[in-house]
Amino acid sequence: KAGVTQTPRYLIKTRGQQVTLSCSPISGHRSVSWYQQTPGQGLQFLFEYFSETQRNKGNFPGRFSGRQFSNSRSEMNVSTLELGDSALYLCASSMSGTGSEQFFGPGTRLTVL
Amino acid sequence: KNEVEQSPQNLTAQEGEFITINCSYSVGISALHWLQQHPGGGIVSLFMLSSGKKKHGRLIATINIQEKHSSLHITASHPRDSAVYICAVTGNTGNQFYFGTGTSLTVIP
Repeated sequence: KAGVTQTPRYLIKTRGQQVTLSCSPISGHRSVSWYQQTPGQGLQFLFEYFSETQRNKGNFPGRFSGRQFSNSRSEMNVSTLELGDSALYLCASSMSGTGSEQFFGPGTRLTVL
Repeated sequence: KNEVEQSPQNLTAQEGEFITINCSYSVGISALHWLQQHPGGGIVSLFMLSSGKKKHGRLIATINIQEKHSSLHITASHPRDSAVYICAVTGNTGNQFYFGTGTSLTVIP
């Protein structure tokens, strides 16, 4: 079974731009969660999607948004990028949500200049 | 305020030593997760538990729900165990995910 894939793996943007990251879950998994990892704040939960609906959301501004498609693939969008958005963005898929075992992708490393 | 606290933050051990990493949490949970992150970023789920004890090979995870505490033990540690170990919990209201700050483990041959 193929693992969780994320594209792109690396991305460089400038302040004010927007970015879209993609996550393809393990086949059969209906839940995709997104996380941000920075040296200062560590890992933080962004949001979780299940069957195309956002079920849970962390404490991030509205510039961070996401969606999930009928094939369970998910995208995360960050608008009006700030320097502090530079981070490793990880997605994880699971059968039923954050209360079940999470399978993580390799991450997208975003650098905002 | 950190919902999940881990200790120690850094740990250096000799190969073969028994290692314990501790995790305390302050919220009601439906599950606790132990994760392993190697340099380069990839995260692997080691355990998910809501009660008792689980064992995979040389790794053992325990949880005490009443004390809101979990431990991860590594028996007969090996240099390939060198990684960051992260404790995370799924809250039982809203299913949010809270992470500890991680324990960086280095095992010296």
